[in-house]
Amino acid sequence: QKEVEQNSGPLSVPEGAIASLNCTYSDRGSQSFFWYRQYSGKSPELIMFIYSNGDKEDGRFTAQLNKASQYVSLLIRDSQPSDSATYLCAAYTGGFKTIFGAGTRLFVKA
Amino acid sequence: KAGVTQTPRYLIKTRGQQVTLSCSPISGHRSVSWYQQTPGQGLQFLFEYFSETQRNKGNFPGRFSGRQFSNSRSEMNVSTLELGDSALYLCASLTGRGNTEAFFGQGTRLTVV
Repeated sequence: QKEVEQNSGPLSVPEGAIASLNCTYSDRGSQSFFWYRQYSGKSPELIMFIYSNGDKEDGRFTAQLNKASQYVSLLIRDSQPSDSATYLCAAYTGGFKTIFGAGTRLFVKA
Repeated sequence: KAGVTQTPRYLIKTRGQQVTLSCSPISGHRSVSWYQQTPGQGLQFLFEYFSETQRNKGNFPGRFSGRQFSNSRSEMNVSTLELGDSALYLCASLTGRGNTEAFFGQGTRLTVV
């Protein structure tokens, strides 16, 4: 059983729309959660991290965490073609180990 | 501030050979994690090193090993290469406190033929 699950997509949204990316995790002891963006041929880079239940906003990005449902999401408002990438959800499970999901591919159509 | 440096960027090896990959973390970072990335599988955790000690490892066969030096540089070794070992190997640099963001290197693309 994969510990962090994501819909592989692709998720396609028009420019200017809200893109909603979802992630579930199996380890209830997971302490913090990260969203990374990976462009094709590049390495992942951090977009957001969240530790507490609720929402966390940073510019066009909002991360949401619901520990009771073991659910994490990332909303991208006013999506731009430059947002087209693979988005990786990650959970720090303790023991100096961060587990990644397989990623969701997002396409933003101009 | 210099980023995470991985060498080499590309490697082609033959089945049965062994390979060594290198990673230099961000200055001041003492933790290095290694991941294998393949299409559809995402990033699979290999192991994590801090102050020359392996603190955790993933579910990979013993052919995969690593080490860390006193200057925090890390190497990973894969022996008796198999076709299925073809992947992008990513090194992540962390502060070492555990619950923090990872900064990734550009990766080493390994192709086993």
